[in-house]
Amino acid sequence: GESVGLHLPTLSVQEGDNSIINCAYSNSASDYFIWYKQESGKGPQFIIDIRSNMDKRQGQRVTVLLNKTVKHLSLQIAATQPGDSAVYFCAENINSGAGSYQLTFGKGTKLSVIP
Amino acid sequence: DGGITQSPKYLFRKEGQNVTLSCEQNLNHDAMYWYRQDPGQGLRLIYYSQIVNDFQKGDIAEGYSVSREKKESFPLTVTSAQKNPTAFYLCASMIRQGNTEAFFGQGTRLTVV
Repeated sequence: GESVGLHLPTLSVQEGDNSIINCAYSNSASDYFIWYKQESGKGPQFIIDIRSNMDKRQGQRVTVLLNKTVKHLSLQIAATQPGDSAVYFCAENINSGAGSYQLTFGKGTKLSVIP
Repeated sequence: DGGITQSPKYLFRKEGQNVTLSCEQNLNHDAMYWYRQDPGQGLRLIYYSQIVNDFQKGDIAEGYSVSREKKESFPLTVTSAQKNPTAFYLCASMIRQGNTEAFFGQGTRLTVV
């Protein structure tokens, strides 16, 4: 089954506004989370990651928040630009034993930026 | 430049035929993965390999086969047993130790005609 999911399948924001994309996960043993951006017809690109010993991590215009109590992850994009339009996936890295890791993805949220 | 390369970008297959998708990486990563993506959906794990000559089934392995004869290469064969093979296939690689991001190829779009 799928242990990682997203609350909203689509999100439309005005250019310049902030965007917040949410993600719920169910595997409490997951200790590493990643946000990916996927443009149409292309492979996912790494945006930002966070380990379970952190609550917040900031990058350039992006911030990831992790709430382990409610198993919730969010991606915040500041001053959203047209180039941010894409599908965003959260993923959790699960240790499946003997040093083997599986990366499990949610369904994704499509972000559309309105000029 | 280091990276992960999938080929071809587009592939057409007749029903009943096997077809092999290529995935090559020069990142010196031990772990490699194959995912399937259907329109409007997330990525589902088909097979993964942590080391040469070893691989494990993912969530949707039926109708697919893989090999890992070289560290750099992880080809995926879509067999005639796969009932609905039309999809976007993505290959990824990762440092085996985990807790690092996976790097993705640009994908192969397979269409059954």
